[in-house]
Amino acid sequence: RKEVEQDPGPFNVPEGATVAFNCTYSNSASQSFFWYRQDCRKEPKLLMSVYSSGNEDGRFTAQLNRASQYISLLIRDSKLSDSATYLCVVNMLGGYNKLIFGAGTRLAVHP
Amino acid sequence: GAVVSQHPSWVICKSGTSVKIECRSLDFQATTMFWYRQFPKQSLMLMATSNEGSKATYEQGVEKDKFLINHASLTLSTLTVTSAHPEDSSFYICSAREIQRAAYEQYFGPGTRLTVT
Repeated sequence: RKEVEQDPGPFNVPEGATVAFNCTYSNSASQSFFWYRQDCRKEPKLLMSVYSSGNEDGRFTAQLNRASQYISLLIRDSKLSDSATYLCVVNMLGGYNKLIFGAGTRLAVHP
Repeated sequence: GAVVSQHPSWVICKSGTSVKIECRSLDFQATTMFWYRQFPKQSLMLMATSNEGSKATYEQGVEKDKFLINHASLTLSTLTVTSAHPEDSSFYICSAREIQRAAYEQYFGPGTRLTVT
């Protein structure tokens, strides 16, 4: 089983739509959680951290359910510029504090 | 913000040759640098973690004699792919963690696309 699993998509949505991505992780000892965005042929960029209480940044809302080992990202009012791959990332404690990346969910927003 | 550069941004080499990729932290000192590899439509996979002045720690399945990592200063780490083969063609990305920053705060370089013919 992969350490971080995501639906690869693609999610094809019209502008203005609301779209939700899910992610599950296998190691219950995971400590920190993030969503990154990666554009084609580019490096990943941190979108937001994910907290147990849930957190919001503009049109983006992230949720964490530790009991279910489940992370979500909700994007409201999708823009064309939101088209990218969204990576679910988990921080593993111990050693050098590795980041474990999911394979990503591809989002395509069309006019 | 913290900036990490990589050089070259892309490289094409012949099978059997070696390629060196540089990762530099431009405006901060990085005690730890990480090297990742990403194949098309797959996730970033951590290859190794390097600390300045010490040997790199390689992830399981990564050949340390094939992927040589040197972290000689607080601003530079290099990855050398020795005797490259077509299956080594991939997107190589480094990240750097600043001294005294949270363990998970890594700044990513723009990546190096390697094609081995």
